[in-house]
Amino acid sequence: GAGVSQSPSNKVTEKGKDVELRCDPISGHTALYWYRQRLGQGLEFLIYFQGNSAPDKSGLPSDRFSAERTGESVSTLTIQRTQQEDSAVYLCASRGTGWIQDTQYFGPGTRLTVL
Amino acid sequence: QQPVQSPQAVILREGEDAVINCSSSKALYSVHWYRQKHGEAPVFLMILLKGGEQKGHEKISASFNEKKQQSSLYLTASQLSYSGTYFCGTENYGGATNKLIFGTGTLLAVQP
Repeated sequence: GAGVSQSPSNKVTEKGKDVELRCDPISGHTALYWYRQRLGQGLEFLIYFQGNSAPDKSGLPSDRFSAERTGESVSTLTIQRTQQEDSAVYLCASRGTGWIQDTQYFGPGTRLTVL
Repeated sequence: QQPVQSPQAVILREGEDAVINCSSSKALYSVHWYRQKHGEAPVFLMILLKGGEQKGHEKISASFNEKKQQSSLYLTASQLSYSGTYFCGTENYGGATNKLIFGTGTLLAVQP
């Protein structure tokens, strides 16, 4: 079926505004992950969902960041009162059975620029 | 906790071989390798499991040394299409969240 999709692909916002990023996982994938990738840097884990619960939120950098997921479907990552250091590509990944033998499949990402 | 990759960058000519290493300070259950081209999402290459099982595709192989807590990715007879940044993602024992912690990345440039 279709891969992981994310929207918007690009978002430019002004400092202090709120933004909402969306992720549509591969159909049937129970696990969903959000990562942040700053320019030229590695992949920084933000949050993990199993179904619609989030057992691991350890990577969220501050209380300005939050995420939710509806069932085993769409997830949204919300950043409130954006700061310039929030500028990055936000990647979403989903995973099939959740068994350790499976891997994560990434979406194309949302490039966020905070002016 | 973040795995360390080496080298940080490597430049090859087409047809040459390369090895990329990924080392963790924690006991590993599995290692996942990805390649990311500029401006694109990471693409899955290979997964290595405890016990040495390899699952992947393309003409790329890898090893997993549980004792040394490290994995190596072998790229033989490199092609221009191999260029990109390679990341390892590690899963630790007791990883109930099945979360991957990604390494620092290795930039590979293959030249004609």
